[in-house]
Amino acid sequence: NAGVTQTPKFQVLKTGQSMTLQCAQDMNHEYMSWYRQDPGMGLRLIHYSVGAGITDQGEVPNGYNVSRSTTEDFPLRLLSAAPSQTSVYFCASSYGRQGDTEAFFGQGTRLTVV
Amino acid sequence: GNSVTQMEGPVTLSEEAFLTINCTYTATGYPSLFWYVQYPGEGLQLLLKATKADDKGSNKGFEATYRKETTSFHLEKGSVQVSDSAVYFCALKTRFGNEKLTFGTGTRLTIIP
Repeated sequence: NAGVTQTPKFQVLKTGQSMTLQCAQDMNHEYMSWYRQDPGMGLRLIHYSVGAGITDQGEVPNGYNVSRSTTEDFPLRLLSAAPSQTSVYFCASSYGRQGDTEAFFGQGTRLTVV
Repeated sequence: GNSVTQMEGPVTLSEEAFLTINCTYTATGYPSLFWYVQYPGEGLQLLLKATKADDKGSNKGFEATYRKETTSFHLEKGSVQVSDSAVYFCALKTRFGNEKLTFGTGTRLTIIP
């Protein structure tokens, strides 16, 4: 079972460059989300989607775009990378519609912006 | 809004010691509570959960009880092992919160032989 797959695992960008972090899940989950993990701050929600064609902002959306054209895929785009976006990024998915369902996480993408 | 306050780390224990990691929360509505664990180099995975007051979640020897009166969900284990070394996150989700998880800051646990 693949679960949630993130690519790449590591990435170094120069300030101003753009890139897309890929996320795919094979569990037919409706809900997908992106978090960033920073030391001493836990995980913070960037963007989320409750289904194909529907996205919304989380706690820290500035500098990031998302789209959800299929149930399986939820890419995160950095349009113009900044050093403040150096972080570890996690994609997660869950069945949705209930408050007690488990979220499944990818293995993360470690991004460094220089 | 929702928030989770978690015991500051890092925590270092000897093998077979008793573990407690404190977690308290504030939430609008009636939350479900979770503990996630992150092993080195990996993503988060669910350790245990509880969905209503007085429920006890348990897994791999870890336990946590949903205490509504003290708004707490402390993680405990009677005898830790080296393999328990990881970062532990307390989190909550409210039923009508569109599945959004609110996390604590995480507690890094190191077990020494």
